Amino acid sequence: EAGVAQSPRYKIIEKRQSVAFWCNPISGHATLYWYQQILGQGPKLLIQFQNNGVVDDSQLPKDRFSAERLKGVDSTLKIQPAKLEDSAVYLCASAHTYRSYGYTFGSGTRLTVV
Amino acid sequence: KQEVTQIPAALSVPEGENLVLNCSFTDSAIYNLQWFRQDPGKGLTSLLLIQSSQREQTSGRLNASLDKSSGRSTLYIAASQPGDSATYLCATYNTDKLIFGTGTRLQVFP
Repeated sequence: EAGVAQSPRYKIIEKRQSVAFWCNPISGHATLYWYQQILGQGPKLLIQFQNNGVVDDSQLPKDRFSAERLKGVDSTLKIQPAKLEDSAVYLCASAHTYRSYGYTFGSGTRLTVV
Repeated sequence: KQEVTQIPAALSVPEGENLVLNCSFTDSAIYNLQWFRQDPGKGLTSLLLIQSSQREQTSGRLNASLDKSSGRSTLYIAASQPGDSATYLCATYNTDKLIFGTGTRLQVFP
């Protein structure tokens, strides 16, 4: 089966600009996660979707970050405006069902804010 | 709030050594624990998933143990090879969310 697809692979932007990342989960996977991984740290959960509804966005900086999952399939994560500290790898993961422990991760998008 | 810690942060060893990577967590009420491998510029590859009712899991040269009562897990790598060089992350499942440690960066040199 195809894996979790993410694009772009790399992005360099200036601070205060906006950026968007895209994720296409494995077909049929109802649960989708966005993680932020700052260099030298483990991934941190930003938001969790179940189909097209948000289950947990408690760690999403909502003043600048937003995410949506239209039609319960693809998802986009947006940052507006970006700050230097947003430089990180943004990982998308999907799982078949709620409380299914078989996560599959995408390769991530590496964001550099200058 | 769950906190996951991994020791050591970095490790450099010659080929052939047996290795132990440590993971500790503060909240023992976990569902499962999972070990991942991350290569530079790549996503995460699942290595071993230990369910809460299990004590260990094995896959090839890898063996992971889990002691929920003490909040510890170890990943044992036998006969290390240069291809094992990567960052190893442990993560706990609290409900259905993965909480990651900071990782151990492993380098195995020939």
